[in-house]
Amino acid sequence: GAVVSQHPSRVICKSGTSVKIECRSLDFQATTMFWYRQFPKKSLMLMATSNEGSKATYEQGVEKDKFLINHASLTLSTLTVTSAHPEDSSFYICSARDSGTGYGYTFGSGTRLTVV
Amino acid sequence: QKEVEQNSGPLSVPEGAIASLNCTYSDRGSQSFFWYRQYSGKSPELIMFIYSNGDKEDGRFTAQLNKASQYVSLLIRDSQPSDSATYLCAVLNSGYSTLTFGKGTMLLVSP
Repeated sequence: GAVVSQHPSRVICKSGTSVKIECRSLDFQATTMFWYRQFPKKSLMLMATSNEGSKATYEQGVEKDKFLINHASLTLSTLTVTSAHPEDSSFYICSARDSGTGYGYTFGSGTRLTVV
Repeated sequence: QKEVEQNSGPLSVPEGAIASLNCTYSDRGSQSFFWYRQYSGKSPELIMFIYSNGDKEDGRFTAQLNKASQYVSLLIRDSQPSDSATYLCAVLNSGYSTLTFGKGTMLLVSP
């Protein structure tokens, strides 16, 4: 089945630094990937849609200069949290759509970001 | 605004019982419907998808779809404590562009 690999699984960074999260589709090509964040006991919140070879589409209220998304190839999308602050601490999850799963999303394992 | 509604729960069932999780959606043009399971601190995992009216069974799980009523459900037979998780309903919007997720129903299965 479709596998999406996400790294790192956990990261702790100092306030003001940047963190990059990678998301790879391992056994299929993903022209579109999606980035979510989730706060404890809250629902998934779509941050942006990442399209291979073009600019990402951000949801309303998401700062595109803070959350930089790059989708340079059909199997790799990255999310960089720039100048991180404690309020950016959250669970970030990427996903990709695969026709083998009826066009549902396969999710990566998520990245727990803690900004201290 | 395309919406997917779920009861937040928690839905509590004893071990061995049938758990019934329900979901309604607003986009009448939706074609595909998905159930995800999310354990605390983990990412969602796809359990089943369905796109035809009726039932679709996979092991202890049965997805049911009624497009006329805009209603989709998930039945879990012989519930186990390991089934305790949040279950997310998701609907593929007409045009196959994006999935819209419900807020999820928390299921608690007591031994």
